This record gives sequence, structure tokens and C-alpha cells, in this order.
Amino acid sequence: DAGVIQSPRHEVTEMGQEVTLRCKPISGHNSLFWYRQTMMRGLELLIYFNNNVPIDDSGMPEDRFSAKMPNASFSTLKIQPSEPRDSAVYFCASSLARGPRNTIYFGEGSWLTVV
Amino acid sequence: RKEVEQDPGPFNVPEGATVAFNCTYSNSASQSFFWYRQDCRKEPKLLMSVYSSGNEDGRFTAQLNRASQYISLLIRDSKLSDSATYLCVVYTSGTYKYIFGTGTRLKVLA
Repeated sequence: DAGVIQSPRHEVTEMGQEVTLRCKPISGHNSLFWYRQTMMRGLELLIYFNNNVPIDDSGMPEDRFSAKMPNASFSTLKIQPSEPRDSAVYFCASSLARGPRNTIYFGEGSWLTVV
Repeated sequence: RKEVEQDPGPFNVPEGATVAFNCTYSNSASQSFFWYRQDCRKEPKLLMSVYSSGNEDGRFTAQLNRASQYISLLIRDSKLSDSATYLCVVYTSGTYKYIFGTGTRLKVLA
């Protein structure tokens, strides 16, 4: 069974450009999470969806960041305009929220460098 | 205060050693607890869930102390391949949030 699929795996872009990261969760999972990881701050939860509905976006750093989940099998995280401090690994993860034993599965991450 | 706190390490231990990590959490309503392992430049992967009664998986033992709000991970007979960052994860049912600690780096030395 396919895991969480993210694209692009690596992106280098210039400051001010728009960046769109994509994610396909594990089929059947109803919760989707976007995390950002840096050396300084570790793994930060940016936003998560349950049944395609954004539940909590309090981790989104600024209005430059936005996320959508138009259907159960696709989500995007957009940064517009991008800045060098946005450079990080962005992980998408999914889970089946059905009880206390549910676990979260990560994609391989999108490595973003803004120059 | 962070919701989940871990000692960042690094812990440098010789092969065959026993090493233990602790993690504290602030939300007493938290229900599920996990340890994840993250290798360099890779995504976090589930190592084991942590059950109230404690649980063991081979050389790994996880414990939960609800009264003191901490979880622990014990690794016995350390292998070189155990070198990684170990992330403590706390899940609060109803909020759907998985909160990660910043991780503890382990390096097992030959």
C-alpha cells in the first residue's frame, strides 16, 4: 500500500516567488497534517485537517502561508511570497483518527530552499 | 512551557550500552503517546506506541507515568544502527493534534 506521497521532493526558489507543496495522504486516512522542521525549532505543526476540513491553523506562521484540502486524497501548502526564513523541510502526514491507538505516518518531505 | 519537552542530547554511548530517554508533557488530558525515530534527512517513523502498563519490543522498552506526566524509552544492548534522533509524541483525542518533542539525538559508538 502506498504511503504518504509528497511533491516536489526538493525545491530551490528565489525570494518572492510562490511555492506550492503537494501531498497525497494514505488512502482511507481522514486526518492530514502539515509540519515544518528546522534545526532550531524542530517539528512544528502548521495546520491539520479532519475529513478535509481545517481544524486548527494556529501554527501557520503568517498570512503568506495557506493550505487547502479540496478532497480526501489531495492537499496543498502554499507560500506566497516566499522568504529565505521559510527554508525548511515540510512534511505532510496522515492518520486514521479512530481511537487512542491511531498513529501518524509521514511522507518523505519537501526540502525547500529560498535564496 | 513547551507542550512536549525532551533533552536534545546528544547521547554518545558505546555499543552494548543501555541508554534511557525521558520526555515530559504538559497537557494532562493527553491520551496517546508514541516514540518515533528519525534518521538524518529522513522522515520520522513510528518506533513504538506507549501503553499505560508499559510495553516492550525486543531491546526497546517504553514506560508511561501519568502522575508525573512523562514517558520514557529504554534501549538495551545498543547497536550502531540505533544512532538516530528519537522523538516523543503526544496525542490528545478530540483535538486531533500530534505534538512532537524536539527529539533526543543518540549516537552509538563502535
